[in-house]
Amino acid sequence: GENVEQHPSTLSVQEGDSAVIKCTYSDSASNYFPWYKQELGKRPQLIIDIRSNVGEKKDQRIAVTLNKTAKHFSLHITETQPEDSAVYFCAASRGLTGGGNKLTFGTGTQLKVEL
Amino acid sequence: GAGVSQSPSNKVTEKGKDVELRCDPISGHTALYWYRQSLGQGLEFLIYFQGNSAPDKSGLPSDRFSAERTGGSVSTLTIQRTQQEDSAVYLCASSLAAGTTEAFFGQGTRLTVV
Repeated sequence: GENVEQHPSTLSVQEGDSAVIKCTYSDSASNYFPWYKQELGKRPQLIIDIRSNVGEKKDQRIAVTLNKTAKHFSLHITETQPEDSAVYFCAASRGLTGGGNKLTFGTGTQLKVEL
Repeated sequence: GAGVSQSPSNKVTEKGKDVELRCDPISGHTALYWYRQSLGQGLEFLIYFQGNSAPDKSGLPSDRFSAERTGGSVSTLTIQRTQQEDSAVYLCASSLAAGTTEAFFGQGTRLTVV
């Protein structure tokens, strides 16, 4: 089955700096890669996702890049703000093709944005 | 409903008792997932339902855990003979299989086994 590894487990940045979180996956058939943000005591919520037919997607201060050959994808947050502090999870699935859309999550990254 | 609903929000049970956790997915979502999250940990996959297909039970940690989904909608996760290590937040999520695979999470059930 799919295995998703995520690094780093904790990340501390100064407000205004950029943050990068990296994930690798093992199943070459995976084609859907979402990122979830979980604030303390709350449910995970989707912040951005990317499909395997594109290499990069951007939404305001958040961007995700995908390298299918190397089987890794990354989340980039620019101009970090205190409200970005949360746990971020990457995930991978086969989407709508071959095997349904079971989501396998990485182990999470605790991001702390310091003033 | 407007979102994924789980009940109860909190459950305290004695070791050895059985518990049932309920999940009401978003109407029309054919995929339903159960995950377990221990304090400060990641999202551990338990079981996955997709339409009328046989569920993927590969994440269930032992035969004390089971789940069913009736009529393609509501799902119940049952834990028999609970143990202290079962204490965690149990999260349910649903997604619309056709056209998108974004998963929407419920607020979770915090299970404490004493």
